[in-house]
Formats: sequence, C-alpha cells, structure tokens
Amino acid sequence: AQSVAQPEDQVNVAEGNPLTVKCTYSVSGNPYLFWYVQYPNRGLQFLLKYITGDNLVKGSYGFEAEFNKSQTSFHLKKPSALVSDSALYFCAVRPSSNTGKLIFGQGTTLQVKP
Amino acid sequence: GAVVSQHPSRVICKSGTSVKIECRSLDFQATTMFWYRQFPKQSLMLMATSNEGSKATYEQGVEKDKFLINHASLTLSTLTVTSAHPEDSSFYICSAGGQGRQPQHFGDGTRLSIL
Repeated sequence: AQSVAQPEDQVNVAEGNPLTVKCTYSVSGNPYLFWYVQYPNRGLQFLLKYITGDNLVKGSYGFEAEFNKSQTSFHLKKPSALVSDSALYFCAVRPSSNTGKLIFGQGTTLQVKP
Repeated sequence: GAVVSQHPSRVICKSGTSVKIECRSLDFQATTMFWYRQFPKQSLMLMATSNEGSKATYEQGVEKDKFLINHASLTLSTLTVTSAHPEDSSFYICSAGGQGRQPQHFGDGTRLSIL
C-alpha cells in the first residue's frame, strides 16, 4: 500500500536554530511531493512542492525541502527557526498516475521556543 | 495565490439537524474538489472527491447518504451532513485544484459541534 511517514510526532527547537521535519514515502513511480502547514483551527497552507529538477526546493517563509530519491525522503528544513513557525506540518504525496488525491503523513507538530 | 473560501467556519447545532458547508474557489475554476475530515491532532482523512456535474466519489467507509455532496458549478461544492449526531462532530476541510503538478488549495475549515 502507498504511504507517507512522518516519524516524529513533535519536533522541538530553539528560536534561531535550524530545524528539520522528516518525511519518507512509499509510492511507486515518480510522485509529486508537497509540504503544508496548519495553524490552529485553520486549513492547510501550501509551503512548497517538488516536481523534478533540483533536489533542494525553496518555498514560502524561508522553508526549503531536500528531496532524496534513493532514500525516498523529502525532509523540510529551515536554517533559522522563528517562534511563529510553531504549527502542525504535513507532508503529502500525489502519485503521478493519480487524478489528484493526496496521501498525507500523520503530521508533525513543530514547537519553536524563544 | 489561489484562494478557497469555506463557510461557515463554525457550527453548533442540535442532534438531528442537517448542516450544509460551502466550499468556493474564488479565483479559479475547479472541476474537482475534495472533502476531508480531521480529528484533533490527527491527519486529514479524505471523505470524498467532488466532481463538477457528476456524482461524488466516496472513500471506503464514508456513508454517501449521510454526507451529501453537490458540485453544481465550477466554483462551488457543498457538503451536507444529514441528521447530524454527536459522533459527526469534527473539523471538516475542503480543497480545490491540485491536478497534475499543482498543489491543492485548502479552505479554512468548518468546526462542527453537534450537541
């Protein structure tokens, strides 16, 4: 079965430190990869996507993600975390043959402390 | 960027009431929209795919007679929770777009509380 895994329920970092939120996937073919962020009682906001090309993708709010095909990973990164980055982050994958459905990871809560 | 509007943001009503939630794509046409349900601190669970001009496609285990979906235009899909009961209380989120390489764009969700 196709799946997306975010192995950490919560990631804690100090403000100003780099952050990484991990994502691995098990999807056949060459899927499209996405990261979304969710603030409390809000919908999901699109951060960035990987389609093809450079393995390091830059997105909104200073976030970037590193694609590794051999490890089937797409980890979210930011060089310097802000307290306002504290939120719930979702990795999502769309199989290339799919009509549009996304497969979501279980989500990772990022807590940035001052 | 693309905007999806979801209304209402919060509903509190008595058991047995039917509740309609609207999802609108404000600056693009969406032949496909998606309806999700989210429990506290959990991931999104896809309920159904809403298709403009045709019947919705429901995920396994989702009661189509309970959760009625209508997608009558290229910018509007509605989800009606019929005869809602306390176990239907949840956060419902819609999304639109997302074909091919494009990301899905999400509404801000509807918090449904059935008393």
